[in-house]
Amino acid sequence: GAGVSQSPSNKVTEKGKDVELRCDPISGHTALYWYRQSLGQGLEFLIYFQGNSAPDKSGLPSDRFSAERTGGSVSTLTIQRTQQEDSAVYLCASSFSGGQFFGPGTRLTVL
Amino acid sequence: GENVEQHPSTLSVQEGDSAVIKCTYSDSASNYFPWYKQELGKRPQLIIDIRSNVGEKKDQRIAVTLNKTAKHFSLHITETQPEDSAVYFCAARSLNAGGTSYGKLTFGQGTILTVHP
Repeated sequence: GAGVSQSPSNKVTEKGKDVELRCDPISGHTALYWYRQSLGQGLEFLIYFQGNSAPDKSGLPSDRFSAERTGGSVSTLTIQRTQQEDSAVYLCASSFSGGQFFGPGTRLTVL
Repeated sequence: GENVEQHPSTLSVQEGDSAVIKCTYSDSASNYFPWYKQELGKRPQLIIDIRSNVGEKKDQRIAVTLNKTAKHFSLHITETQPEDSAVYFCAARSLNAGGTSYGKLTFGQGTILTVHP
C-alpha cells in the first residue's frame, strides 16, 4: 500500500504565526512518531503515539508544540507562535512492530 | 532514558573497501536495533535491523552485529560502491518511561559515509 505521507511538503511562515503539519501513516500501523531534523543534523525525537495509550511527549521542546492523533490514524503537529529556530524539516514515521517508515517530511521555514 | 553514541561521525573509503560504523547504547532493556540510510534531501530509509535475541544478521553486502553484554552494535558494509555514500543512523528501541511497553527509538548522531570511486 501507500507509504507515509505528509503535507504540506514546504511551509514558509512569518515569525509569530501558528502552523499545522499533517501526517498520514501507513494503514494498520499503530505507532506514529514525529521528529525534527535541522540541516545537517540528526533526528530529534518530538512525540510518539502508540495505539490508545497516552502519547510520549518527552521530546517536545516547548509548550508551543503540540500534536494530536485522531482515530488512531492521521496526526497533526501544531507549532504556535513560531520562532526562527523552529525552521527545520519535520519528519513523521509509523510502525507496526519493528522498523519505522518515514514520510518525506515538511520543510518549515520561519522568516 | 536511553542514550546512543555513534562513531565515527565521518568515514571516507575507497570503492571496494569495507566500512564499519559502531554504536553503543546505555539501556540494557533495549531490544531492537535498526539502521537507516539517508541520502541528501531524502527521508531516512530502513536498511537492516536486528533484535536482541540475535547476534548477527546479513543482507547481501550489509550486515549488523550485536553484542548485548557490551551494549554495542555495528553496521558492516562490504565491497562499498559510490551509491553507498549517505548519512547512516543507528537507533535503539527502549521501554517507555513507565517501563510498560517498547516503542520509542533513540537515534545516534549519524555517520557521513563517502565512497570514492
